[in-house]
Amino acid sequence: AQRVTQPEKLLSVFKGAPVELKCNYSYSGSPELFWYVQYSRQRLQLLLRHISRESIKGFTADLNKGETSFHLKKPFAQEEDSAMYYCALSVGGTSYGKLTFGQGTILTVHP
Amino acid sequence: DAGVIQSPRHEVTEMGQEVTLRCKPISGHNSLFWYRQTMMRGLELLIYFNNNVPIDDSGMPEDRFSAKMPNASFSTLKIQPSEPRDSAVYFCASSLGPLGLFFGSGTQLSVL
Repeated sequence: AQRVTQPEKLLSVFKGAPVELKCNYSYSGSPELFWYVQYSRQRLQLLLRHISRESIKGFTADLNKGETSFHLKKPFAQEEDSAMYYCALSVGGTSYGKLTFGQGTILTVHP
Repeated sequence: DAGVIQSPRHEVTEMGQEVTLRCKPISGHNSLFWYRQTMMRGLELLIYFNNNVPIDDSGMPEDRFSAKMPNASFSTLKIQPSEPRDSAVYFCASSLGPLGLFFGSGTQLSVL
């Protein structure tokens, strides 16, 4: 069975500092990886997905199959980035949307 | 589109009572998911439907939980009888292919 691990429950940085939210996964096949974000009092929303190879709100994430990781990075954190971040995995095919989530990381960006 | 709509936003009930949570997916989405979020276990998939048909209900914790999707625009998650350990935020989400999940605002359930 697949598994997603986010080792940091809490992460605090200062505004302007680089930030990296770690995500490791275990799955024997080729998964689809996602990052979801939940801002205070807002619904959970898709931040980015690895197949798009995009940068959203300054965040990027690279899938490293050798290390089975999908870490989320931003070179200069902003206060509005403070939120709960979830890494998620889908095995795709007919199971698109059936996501396995990590435990989440609460990011706090201090002024 | 208003996105995925869930009701109620908050539900407070007493142990033993029946609870029904409702969800309206985004029009045109063919998959619907029910997730539960708790501090201890994070986000867990309870059940999902594809084209209104339940595909995987292995995450449903007990027989007290049941879910239906009578048509493409409506789904319910029922807990009968409810217990305090069912207290959590229940999310409904819908999707269409590989575009990812779109979540509702969730229902905060408190069972006293």
